[in-house]
Amino acid sequence: EADIYQTPRYLVIGTGKKITLECSQTMGHDKMYWYQQDPGMELHLIHYSYGVNSTEKGDLSSESTVSRIRTEHFPLTLESARPSHTSQYLCASSGRVRTEAFFGQGTRLTVV
Amino acid sequence: DAKTTQPTSMDCAEGRAANLPCNHSTISGNEYVYWYRQIHSQGPQYIIHGLKNNETNEMASLIITEDRKSSTLILPHATLRDTAVYYCIVRPFNAGGTSYGKLTFGQGTILTVHP
Repeated sequence: EADIYQTPRYLVIGTGKKITLECSQTMGHDKMYWYQQDPGMELHLIHYSYGVNSTEKGDLSSESTVSRIRTEHFPLTLESARPSHTSQYLCASSGRVRTEAFFGQGTRLTVV
Repeated sequence: DAKTTQPTSMDCAEGRAANLPCNHSTISGNEYVYWYRQIHSQGPQYIIHGLKNNETNEMASLIITEDRKSSTLILPHATLRDTAVYYCIVRPFNAGGTSYGKLTFGQGTILTVHP
């Protein structure tokens, strides 16, 4: 059973608002990832982290930012939401030694 | 990371074996082959992984060719609930067994299981 949680599951918010998507894992994994996925489309890596105070941009440019102050938390922030940010955001984590990645249930974001 | 190539889509009859191929001709010696699947828009789910030997677990079997340039995921008795997008990826590991590099997914194979 994967112990990785995302909140909220669904979010509808107005343009210009600041939002933070939460991702937490209780497995002590050092690596965490954020993906963006539109319906029927590919998973695009937008951010990843190898550990506390480590963050890197992924393959898809994103206006979002992330932080990794604690091992278990990897929040994603949009300072000013726009309709183009409407998408599903998936968080994942993986451990040190040849373990698989575990995914959260995702946050469906709609910016109106 | 080595790139993988998969067919865009495949069909399978319920109860039959589903054989999903993956080409990873540029795989390096320290890269493992991983398979995940994504049902609807849920988060991807791990299925199986291997280095060079064939592997089997309760979900599937993984057959890796001797030259490691391709692999096949086998779902022995496909059910309607196996309809999903299946991703084949390769991940490098250092000598200590720690993975490194990004965890990226391609387009995968859309498997449709028919009654």
